[in-house]
Amino acid sequence: QSGLTQPPSVSGAPGQRITISCTGSSSNIGAGFDVHWYQQLPGAVPKLIIFGNNNRPSGVSDRFSGSKSGTSASLAITGLQAEDAADYYCQSYDTSLTGAWVFGGGTKLTVL
Amino acid sequence: QITLKESGPTLVKPAQTLTLTCTFSGFPLTTSGMGVAWIRQPPGKALQWLAVIYSDNDKRYRPSLRGRLSIAKDISKKEVVLTMTDMDPVDTGTYYCVHRRTWYFDFWGPGIPVTVSS
Repeated sequence: QSGLTQPPSVSGAPGQRITISCTGSSSNIGAGFDVHWYQQLPGAVPKLIIFGNNNRPSGVSDRFSGSKSGTSASLAITGLQAEDAADYYCQSYDTSLTGAWVFGGGTKLTVL
Repeated sequence: QITLKESGPTLVKPAQTLTLTCTFSGFPLTTSGMGVAWIRQPPGKALQWLAVIYSDNDKRYRPSLRGRLSIAKDISKKEVVLTMTDMDPVDTGTYYCVHRRTWYFDFWGPGIPVTVSS
């Protein structure tokens, strides 16, 4: 089982704002470890889009933003575009027996 | 420019040992704190971290697979090798070699699909 919990799917119309939640525990997010987000387009390699809770790598659109509070984190995408349709994964570090680096189960974003 | 590329067999039989090689460039795996990790993704499923090796040769493994995994590096060849014993069909998936930047993974190889089947 994954150490981080994400909703299996979210959807939104072009131009809308959506959020994807990532729920952890006291051994990962709640312990102060940062949350990072990856985008995986269909058939492609995962790509880092948010690191350190709310930082974007160079070249990533400012329509993507992240936040963290307590044992949870969120990814927000504004001005939704068809090209945003992908799977999104959150990731953090865990001090329990589940493994050091943990990923969420992934959320499939559908652009209506 | 950091690049990584995985190589190895794409088909292995159950109970066999899988050996994957990651050839990297653009960074020295000798600088303190540097690391290369392996992450896999079963078909249609989530990402799973497997192992990491650091510049000081410290190694970490996914607890549930610790007895089956081994990771090693060859600095002169700029390679990191992952070995997984006793392969099972549930180990089928795409295996990625990735550059570890402190607490996250910023550069990924293209991945290599591995099927475990007799």
